[in-house]
Amino acid sequence: GAGVSQSPSNKVTEKGKDVELRCDPISGHTALYWYRQSLGQGLEFLIYFQGNSAPDKSGLPSDRFSAERTGGSVSTLTIQRTQQEDSAVYLCASSLFSRQDTQYFGPGTRLTVL
Amino acid sequence: GQNIDQPTEMTATEGAIVQINCTYQTSGFNGLFWYQQHAGEAPTFLSYNVLDGLEEKGRFSSFLSRSKGYSYLLLKELQMKDSASYLCAVPFYGNNRLAFGKGNQVVVIP
Repeated sequence: GAGVSQSPSNKVTEKGKDVELRCDPISGHTALYWYRQSLGQGLEFLIYFQGNSAPDKSGLPSDRFSAERTGGSVSTLTIQRTQQEDSAVYLCASSLFSRQDTQYFGPGTRLTVL
Repeated sequence: GQNIDQPTEMTATEGAIVQINCTYQTSGFNGLFWYQQHAGEAPTFLSYNVLDGLEEKGRFSSFLSRSKGYSYLLLKELQMKDSASYLCAVPFYGNNRLAFGKGNQVVVIP
């Protein structure tokens, strides 16, 4: 596609429910990243996928967070038993190959946990 | 680890020049990125510096000093559309994360 797409653009959920956020990276990009941005804060790294390698999950804040990437393309970030502190904008980015390559960001999913 | 520091907010007049600073500490160095983020939108790439010196791209220039752990973004001939947050980011050494600063909010007034 022309750019990174994410869905949904907005998600409101109740505390304790599970949510799934989707990211479609730019076609041909082998690296995919998830970040979280809380109000007035910088981007917080969550997880990184590169090709068929094991993902770097070191930024996931708790075991309620998980992500997968199917077929080296689409990725899903799942948050189980959501908490109010999970409310943030979740941004996905992709790059051609590695950290020195420019990351292109999707529009984000704004998650609100009531 | 990585530590990135940016001032939080500045206001400038249309047509003026602003300099946005970023200092960083990193256990290795693999370049520095600048991104622009308008309110409610995703960050967009502005520049990437890996060597010391100034790189100019139209109204925007970015400077890097690796020995000082310092970079700045220079915005010339400010326009209202330049009102945004400007984020600097450095890749973690040895892996593929980007560590972002909190961003500098630039407000352009007429």
